[in-house]
Amino acid sequence: QKEVEQNSGPLSVPEGAIASLNCTYSDRVSQSFFWYRQYSGKSPELIMSIYSNGDKEDGRFTAQLNKASQYVSLLIRDSQPSDSATYLCAVNAGGTSYGKLTFGQGTILTVHP
Amino acid sequence: DVKVTQSSRYLVKRTGEKVFLECVQDMDHENMFWYRQDPGLGLRLIYFSYDVKMKEKGDIPEGYSVSREKKERFSLILESASTNQTSMYLCASSPAGGGVWSGGQPQHFGDGTRLSIL
Repeated sequence: QKEVEQNSGPLSVPEGAIASLNCTYSDRVSQSFFWYRQYSGKSPELIMSIYSNGDKEDGRFTAQLNKASQYVSLLIRDSQPSDSATYLCAVNAGGTSYGKLTFGQGTILTVHP
Repeated sequence: DVKVTQSSRYLVKRTGEKVFLECVQDMDHENMFWYRQDPGLGLRLIYFSYDVKMKEKGDIPEGYSVSREKKERFSLILESASTNQTSMYLCASSPAGGGVWSGGQPQHFGDGTRLSIL
C-alpha cells in the first residue's frame, strides 16, 4: 500500500510567523509532488507542484523536496489568517498510474491574529 | 484557467434511487477522477478514466459505476443509493503528461457535490 503521511496537526501559528507543513511518502519511485489547500466546505485548490530535489518558491510559499529521504514540505512565510485551511500533500507514483494521486490525510492550519 | 464543472452543488436523494453525478472539464484533459471525501477519512478514489470509454476502479468502487462517452464528460452513477453514500463527491481532471510512463500532472478539482441520501 503506497502511503502518504502528513504531520497530524492541527497546527496553530501566530500571524506573521512561518508555518511548516511536512509530508513523507513510501513509494520510492514517486516523481511528482503537489500541495493543495482546502478551505472548509470547498474543494482542494492546487498551490504548489514540485518535481525535482531542492526548493521551489512561489510568493510566500516554498516547497522543499528530498527524494532520498522521501520527504516533501511546504513553508508558508508571513502567515495570514486567510491561510487557515487544510493542506493536502499529494504524490504521483509515475509508471502506468494514469495521473493517479495518493493524498495524505491533511494538516489543519490555523493562523491566529 | 482549467474549469471543472460539477452539475450540482447540493443534491438530496432517497435510498434505492439511481443517482447520476455529472462532471465536465473544458481543458481537453485525458484523465478524469471521482473521489468522495468524508471527515476523518480523507479523499478516497472511486473510479478514474484515462481515455474515452476507458475506466479503472479506484480504492472504493463498490456501489458505483462510471461512464465516459465523451472526452470532456465523466459521470458517476450510484446504482442504488444507500445512506452510507452520503458524502462530498469531488471530480478532478488532469492532462496526460509525456505518455503513460509520465510522473504525472496535477489534478484540478470541481467545486464538489454534497450528496445526501435519505
